[in-house]
Amino acid sequence: EIVMTQSPATLSVSPGERGTLSCRASQSVSSNLAWYQQKPGQAPRLLMYGASTRATGVSARFSGSGSGTEFTLTISSLQSEDSAVYYCQQYNNWPPLTFGGGTKVEIK
Amino acid sequence: EVHLVESGGGLVQPGGSVRLSCTASGFTFSTYWMSWVRQAPGKGLEWVANIKQDGSEIYYVDSVKGRFTLSRDNAKNSLYLQMNSLRAEDTAVYYCARFLRIAAAGNGGGGFDYWGQGTLVTVSS
Repeated sequence: EIVMTQSPATLSVSPGERGTLSCRASQSVSSNLAWYQQKPGQAPRLLMYGASTRATGVSARFSGSGSGTEFTLTISSLQSEDSAVYYCQQYNNWPPLTFGGGTKVEIK
Repeated sequence: EVHLVESGGGLVQPGGSVRLSCTASGFTFSTYWMSWVRQAPGKGLEWVANIKQDGSEIYYVDSVKGRFTLSRDNAKNSLYLQMNSLRAEDTAVYYCARFLRIAAAGNGGGGFDYWGQGTLVTVSS
């Protein structure tokens, strides 16, 4: 099973700043990685797949990069609406499909 | 517009059973793989199971194998999760999700592009 590790656990940033979230895989997952956003009381929302392809309707302020074992989700010019927990998920070796533990983004 | 609506959750005793349902609309249900993903209270996401369009392939996370059974009825646009021998650690919000297979992955893998609102299953005496 591939273990996904996200850091930091909590990211506190001011409005307008850039936020950088990391995701590490226990072994290479190529570019077979997705990112999700989950706001309090809501279901997750797909943001990114293929490590860097934005899902339908996702703002261009979200960008993804990386391959192999190291991945980054960048949120440029953070807004209050971006306050959420963000999860990465690998689909390179499955089953099982595995998620990271999440990064909580707080807007100061 | 895609809609996924789960039902069937509630309080169940350890060792008991419950059947979750998910009704889909807004897309051609029979042409998509479907999934269940769960989230324990205050915790992260855990994939539970996937089912192919015609039900001929089904995959489970190890922790539910032999206890949970995933099925679908394409005529009713519905997905089901029969959960038996429930344990306290099965307590979670269970989300029905549409599985987006990514062709570039080459292995049938992918992510979850639409989610229901979730149904809470609480296993407790």
